[in-house]
Amino acid sequence: GAGVSQSPSNKVTEKGKDVELRCDPISGHTALYWYRQSLGQGLEFLIYFQGNSAPDKSGLPSDRFSAERTGGSVSTLTIQRTQQEDSAVYLCASSPSGGDPQETQYFGPGTRLLVL
Amino acid sequence: GQQVMQIPQYQHVQEGEDFTTYCNSSTTLSNIQWYKQRPGGHPVFLIQLVKSGEVKKQKRLTFQFGEAKKNSSLHITATQTTDVGTYFCAGPRGGSNYKLTFGKGTLLTVNP
Repeated sequence: GAGVSQSPSNKVTEKGKDVELRCDPISGHTALYWYRQSLGQGLEFLIYFQGNSAPDKSGLPSDRFSAERTGGSVSTLTIQRTQQEDSAVYLCASSPSGGDPQETQYFGPGTRLLVL
Repeated sequence: GQQVMQIPQYQHVQEGEDFTTYCNSSTTLSNIQWYKQRPGGHPVFLIQLVKSGEVKKQKRLTFQFGEAKKNSSLHITATQTTDVGTYFCAGPRGGSNYKLTFGKGTLLTVNP
């Protein structure tokens, strides 16, 4: 597609429920990133996928968070047993290869998650 | 761990006034990137600086990378209402090629 797409754009859930957030990267981009942006804060790195390599999960805040990337394209971020502090905007980004520190990351519109 | 600090957190200006945001890293950066996020939008890449002391311009925006590659600034001349948004700086984390550490951003509002 023309850019990174994410769905849903907004998600309201109850505490304790599981949620799945989806990211469709730019076609041909092998690197995919998930970030979390809490209200008024900067972006917090969550996880990174590069091709078929094992993902870098070092940014995931707890074991309730997991992500997968099927077929090297679409990625799903899953939050189990959601807590109110999980409320944030979850941003996905992609880049052509991820191996160059000078590479630009292209962000999707984000999913706004609200946990009641 | 690596920290990237931005100041000020907020800046309100009259249209036509200049604006500057500063970014400071606790460690030397191989490069620094700047992003703009409009209210309700997502971060959009503006520019990347790589060389020590580098200065780049985009119309009314001037970006600088410090000699020690630990600080950077973004200056906007004669602000316009279209400049409204949050400006983030980001640098590669540690020895990583892909992990970016973002500053908390500077929110710029412009009074017409």
